[in-house]
Amino acid sequence: AQSVTQLDSQVPVFEEAPVELRCNYSSSVSVYLFWYVQYPNQGLQLLLKYLSGSTLVESINGFEAEFNKSQTSFHLRKPSVHISDTAEYFCAVTPNTGFQKLVFGTGTRLLVSP
Amino acid sequence: ETGVTQTPRHLVMGMTNKKSLKCEQHLGHNAMYWYKQSAKKPLELMFVYSLEERVENNSVPSRFSPECPNSSHLFLHLHTLQPEDSALYLCASSPSGEEGETQYFGPGTRLLVL
Repeated sequence: AQSVTQLDSQVPVFEEAPVELRCNYSSSVSVYLFWYVQYPNQGLQLLLKYLSGSTLVESINGFEAEFNKSQTSFHLRKPSVHISDTAEYFCAVTPNTGFQKLVFGTGTRLLVSP
Repeated sequence: ETGVTQTPRHLVMGMTNKKSLKCEQHLGHNAMYWYKQSAKKPLELMFVYSLEERVENNSVPSRFSPECPNSSHLFLHLHTLQPEDSALYLCASSPSGEEGETQYFGPGTRLLVL
């Protein structure tokens, strides 16, 4: 079985400051890792994912995440946040074989203020 | 319409009522999912369908009954619910359900059980 821990339930930050949202996972098998974002009153959208290859993955809006197998982490970072990044961010994993069964963390609410 | 749509967006029901949630995807996908999103808890995968066949049922109480008449439509039939079933119910779809795919989420139905 898999589990995902997002220790920070809420992260307040000022606009243009850097941010890191932490994600750690536990699994007895190899996994694929995902970050999804949920804007107010909307469903989740994929932000980025790690399947294989380079351990650093990037999204089109400036976020990046690095897969660290030894630390079982997949932290999300952005060097300079915007007001529009205010949302809830979910880390998720699924075993890399068989049917996809995403296991999500509890989410981190990013609050960006001017 | 494009993407994944869900109706109704909001639903209030008594514990003795019977209601249904509807999900429709316009993406040509073959896998569909129901999730439950409760406050302070991780998203919980409830049901997975692939090509209209149920492939996962995550120990969900029988008062929740899914139906997938074709690959574009997914229903969640509700009866004799409890107040703790109040939550946001999210539907998602993916091309085939393979491990590394992106899931596309609808905006959810917010359910309140009185």
